[in-house]
Order: sequence, then structure tokens, then C-alpha cells
Amino acid sequence: NAGVTQTPKFQVLKTGQSMTLQCAQDMNHEYMSWYRQDPGMGLRLIHYSVGAGITDQGEVPNGYNVSRSTTEDFPLRLLSAAPSQTSVYFCASSGGRRSYEQYFGPGTRLTVT
Amino acid sequence: AQSVTQPDIHITVSEGASLELRCNYSYGATPYLFWYVQSPGQGLQLLLKYFSGDTLVQGIKGFEAEFKRSQSSFNLRKPSVHWSDAAEYFCAVGAYNNNDMRFGAGTRLTVKP
Repeated sequence: NAGVTQTPKFQVLKTGQSMTLQCAQDMNHEYMSWYRQDPGMGLRLIHYSVGAGITDQGEVPNGYNVSRSTTEDFPLRLLSAAPSQTSVYFCASSGGRRSYEQYFGPGTRLTVT
Repeated sequence: AQSVTQPDIHITVSEGASLELRCNYSYGATPYLFWYVQSPGQGLQLLLKYFSGDTLVQGIKGFEAEFKRSQSSFNLRKPSVHWSDAAEYFCAVGAYNNNDMRFGAGTRLTVKP
């Protein structure tokens, strides 16, 4: 099992550009989520999904879109990047709606200039 | 929504000394509580979790945590710290009726030789 994988590891964008952060898991987990990590603020939930075709907003959803067409994949889209979106992004998955034991990917470090 | 406070931003201990990292949560019902560890440049790894039952939970790497409902706390302890324990530690709280997990801001642990 590869677990949770994320690509790319690093990305630099200019303000206004769009891009998609990829996340995939091979554990057949129902629940997947995206967090951003900023210094002194811990991890904040952006969006999550409880299964294919179902997504919902977390704590800081503005400026990000998600979709879940398969169980395995949960991409995060930045529609028009802003410097405030400079952060480290983590994808996580867990085995059920109330499993809560989340497995994290290695992260994507994004810089927006 | 639930929330977590980790009062200590940075703690330094000597190798071999005992360790206690503090975590206080806010939630109106029984919480699901977690401690994660993050080594530099890495994702998060689950150390231990509390869902119900025995309030003293054992985790990996010799860590334990105690749930104290009366104090709304879930402090992490280790009797003897090793240099490899230097990392950032995050406390998190989840709720039974939703998928919204909230993380504390983290405590960075430095281990002196």
C-alpha cells in the first residue's frame, strides 16, 4: 500500500494562476479531507468528502474547489491563486464516516508570488 | 464547533527527562481526541487516540495520554524523552456527529543532549 500520496511536493504560482493539487489513496477509505498548515495555526480543514460524489466545506473553504468522482482521488483546485494561499497542504483519509483515525499524505508546499 | 488549545508553543527538555504536553479542548459532548506528531518536512503520524472507555490511553513510541473530562484536557506524557522525539506535536478533537476535526496550533519539542 502506498497510503496517501500527494503531487506535486513543491509548487510556485503567480497571483491569479490556477492549479490542481492531486491526492490519491489506495486504502479504499470513504472519508478524505484537505488541510492547510500555517505557522502558529496548526492545521485547518478546507474541504472534506464522506464518499464519492459527496463533498462539504470545512473551516477555510474560500478560494478552493473540490470534487470526488472516485473513492481513490480527491483533487483540490485553486481557482485564482493569491499570496494568502501560500501554505503547506495536506490531504488525509480515514476508513469510515466515524473512524476519525486519519492518515496523512506527505504534503505539498505551495508558494504564491 | 469544537476547538483545541495547546498552551505551550515551544518546550525544551533534556534527553532522559520526562515530558508532558498540554492540550485543552472545548466541546459540549464527549469528544474524540487525538495526538499527532510531525517531524520536519513530513506529514502527520498518529500517536494515540481516545474515543471512550479507559481514560489513560497508550500510544506508539512510549507515549501515553490521559483524558480528564472535568478539566477538558488530554495531556500527552512520556516518562523518558529520546533525542528522536524532537518534533512538533498536535492535539486534535473530533465530534461524534460530524466530520469536522479541529487541530491545536502545535507544540514544538526540542530535546537537549
